[in-house]
Amino acid sequence: DVKVTQSSRYLVKRTGEKVFLECVQDMDHENMFWYRQDPGLGLRLIYFSYDVKMKEKGDIPEGYSVSREKKERFSLILESASTNQTSMYLCASSRGTEAFFGQGTRLTVV
Amino acid sequence: AQRVTQPEKLLSVFKGAPVELKCNYSYSGSPELFWYVQYSRQRLQLLLRHISRESIKGFTADLNKGETSFHLKKPFAQEEDSAMYYCALRGYSSASKIIFGSGTRLSIRP
Repeated sequence: DVKVTQSSRYLVKRTGEKVFLECVQDMDHENMFWYRQDPGLGLRLIYFSYDVKMKEKGDIPEGYSVSREKKERFSLILESASTNQTSMYLCASSRGTEAFFGQGTRLTVV
Repeated sequence: AQRVTQPEKLLSVFKGAPVELKCNYSYSGSPELFWYVQYSRQRLQLLLRHISRESIKGFTADLNKGETSFHLKKPFAQEEDSAMYYCALRGYSSASKIIFGSGTRLSIRP
């Protein structure tokens, strides 16, 4: 059973803080993704990675960066959190077809 | 540009009625199409993909390349079908990103 685990279910951070969201998968998948999920907007791709140290911008990368130093771990970094980054963040991994999702991290920036 | 459009934010039907969730896409080339589902308090998960041509939980979806559509259908809705449904596409390269639509909330009335 594929497991994608996000380090936190809920986070509350202050404006201007640097925020790290962590995601780990245990199935040796090459591809990993970060999305934000907002009502009415669906899932929007922030970044994805197709190999260690390889990354590509998605549709809304502004204000975010990522790190993939090991195959199983993909981190999303909010360099300076802002209130408009309050959202549900979903991590996913895949070997090429089906994507497996984490449980999500609800981030609130105050 | 890659794009997935789900025109309905909310679809409400009576139990036993037919269901059709619409999805249109734009992609230069031949993408792989998917439907994902998120039940209340559960992770997003794959429902079906166009290449497998199978029926899952009574749902089917046919890829119409001429109309660039991938509508999800079920002849008789059940209460347990109430969920959020997302249409998604990816290219056939193993390193392709996965793009999602804005989602349709399906509500089945008893």
